[in-house]
Amino acid sequence: DADVTQTPRNRITKTGKRIMLECSQTKGHDRMYWYRQDPGLGLRLIYYSFDVKDINKGEISDGYSVSRQAQAKFSLSLESAIPNQTALYFCATSDLLVRENEQFFGPGTRLTVL
Amino acid sequence: AQSVSQHNHHVILSEAASLELGCNYSYGGTVNLFWYVQYPGQHLQLLLKYFSGDPLVKGIKGFEAEFIKSKFSFNLRKPSVQWSDTAEYFCAVNAGGGSNYKLTFGKGTLLTVNP
Repeated sequence: DADVTQTPRNRITKTGKRIMLECSQTKGHDRMYWYRQDPGLGLRLIYYSFDVKDINKGEISDGYSVSRQAQAKFSLSLESAIPNQTALYFCATSDLLVRENEQFFGPGTRLTVL
Repeated sequence: AQSVSQHNHHVILSEAASLELGCNYSYGGTVNLFWYVQYPGQHLQLLLKYFSGDPLVKGIKGFEAEFIKSKFSFNLRKPSVQWSDTAEYFCAVNAGGGSNYKLTFGKGTLLTVNP
């Protein structure tokens, strides 16, 4: 779904490097989220944001930081990447005005930390 | 904190077999319930959702799910699976209804359909 895009789609990096994953959306949604997906563990929430001035930690925020540069952009940074951050990362959005909180996902970024 | 349990890690079926994937959640109040599907190499897509009203919810591609409040369950069903249904399926819960931002996901069930 081109409404939520993520760059890069794949990235291989080395331990200790700083990495930024970017997410953009054209859905006009206020809420944006970052998740990581690991085999057998499902999706776990890293950070979420309700608007440009609002940033909140999820259940696994250690080792990550985020920036909400605009309503449409939400970036995830790994300050010093480590091998156990190897995972599939998804950005998602939802509409503040929709009660069901259905979330729309980007295509994912596969990150490998060597 | 809410949690979501999906009973089966990997289900293998033949085409035309019936499917039921279990999902239970732990939260005593209002919930919104979702099933997402992830086809190989793709992102998550919404299959169906329950917000209120009829507890039997119909989604895309012939899938349906039934919300049973007394059992805290939201099982996914399809009467006859196809090879193209091979994917990973995730149950998710939004506890507290729309006032709560958070979706809690189950660990997923991998469905393999053999032709």
